[in-house]
Amino acid sequence: DSGVTQTPKHLITATGQRVTLRCSPRSGDLSVYWYQQSLDQGLQFLIQYYNGEERAKGNILERFSAQQFPDLHSELNLSSLELGDSALYFCASSGPGGTSEQYFGPGTRLTVT
Amino acid sequence: AQKVTQAQTEISVVEKEDVTLDCVYETRDTTYYLFWYKQPPSGELVFLIRRNSFDEQNEISGRYSWNFQKSTSSFNFTITASQVVDSAVYFCALRDSGSARQLTFGSGTQLTVLP
Repeated sequence: DSGVTQTPKHLITATGQRVTLRCSPRSGDLSVYWYQQSLDQGLQFLIQYYNGEERAKGNILERFSAQQFPDLHSELNLSSLELGDSALYFCASSGPGGTSEQYFGPGTRLTVT
Repeated sequence: AQKVTQAQTEISVVEKEDVTLDCVYETRDTTYYLFWYKQPPSGELVFLIRRNSFDEQNEISGRYSWNFQKSTSSFNFTITASQVVDSAVYFCALRDSGSARQLTFGSGTQLTVLP
């Protein structure tokens, strides 16, 4: 168990809908990262937050947004969903040190029908 | 731009055989970090090891060992006396020294260990 929690574990929704994925980092970790894993794109970095502030953006679509709250949990919002958004979405967290490794949550499997 | 290449898409071995998973990386940074993660069939990503670019010492942890060679930009992973429980997808990843710490992953190697 990495200490990172993600809910829900599975999500099935229809095209055009909006969903919210939730992540709680390990205790004491200030950084949260979101990654998308799909068959055609592999594991791709989406966005990073550090202590409530956006730190870096990767290949995140404009239909997607995220935030990190004062209690350090994070939410990834996906809107106007398309079939191609079906994927496994991972959250990871890391400690304050510059060399800290990232620990991943169990992921949320999103299926868009 | 950073890039990680895992040329082996799938590897199949018989239990107790040794197996090496290859990882080649590209980066312009002089300071960077390399990682290996394991993704078993259950789907989670499990951290295995981190290696700093300034530390080329090889590492052994039980049946696992890692060979880091800066000269060839490689960070290979060897499992000795493989077991069925080693069956998983293994990812190599790279992170630079910047303030943004996102990982660049390779495409992964599916390892199947047959009994």
